[in-house]
Amino acid sequence: GQNIDQPTEMTATEGAIVQINCTYQTSGFNGLFWYQQHAGEAPTFLSYNVLDGLEEKGRFSSFLSRSKGYSYLLLKELQMKDSASYLCAVKGLTGGGNKLTFGTGTQLKVEL
Amino acid sequence: NAGVTQTPKFQVLKTGQSMTLQCAQDMNHEYMYWYRQDPGMGLRLIHYSVGAGITDQGEVPNGYNVSRLKKQNFLLGLESAAPSQTSVYFCASTPGHSSVSYEQYFGPGTRLTVT
Repeated sequence: GQNIDQPTEMTATEGAIVQINCTYQTSGFNGLFWYQQHAGEAPTFLSYNVLDGLEEKGRFSSFLSRSKGYSYLLLKELQMKDSASYLCAVKGLTGGGNKLTFGTGTQLKVEL
Repeated sequence: NAGVTQTPKFQVLKTGQSMTLQCAQDMNHEYMYWYRQDPGMGLRLIHYSVGAGITDQGEVPNGYNVSRLKKQNFLLGLESAAPSQTSVYFCASTPGHSSVSYEQYFGPGTRLTVT
């Protein structure tokens, strides 16, 4: 089975940097995804890590350490529109179908 | 491209009624998925399909059935709705092939209330 943990809520200030952590325990690992979900909307893809290290994409970066079962999403120069839920999802090795197991999400609130 | 579309957007059912949620994608994706999302529970996989005519159970399949007659369509059926099935349902698709990881593309969701 797979277990994924993320903080439930975080608050940050506009213009600041925030780091959202995700830890996972899986019977096999084949990649980790981060999604953004605004209230009442569908999740949208942010980043993908399968090897250790940092992946940078504009204001967003994602880090993975497979030996520690740990990832984080780093958001720089926060904007009000970044207020959303951020979902960590892990792809396992068992079974087919590219199935993902999602964490419960971290609700980020950006304040002035 | 419309991407992934879902109908209806909202639905209210009485306990015991049946209905079908519809999902369509125009990206020629092989794999399709149905999830439910409940507060504090995250997205949970109900059923998925790796091709037309091929479906399998996910994490929470009880009370649901699926059908994928054509590659572009994936239907989720509730045979006898229960209040516990009140949720937001998302359909998703991805190009496929388990050896390669692609992101999943999500539809806008169907908000279902069972009274």
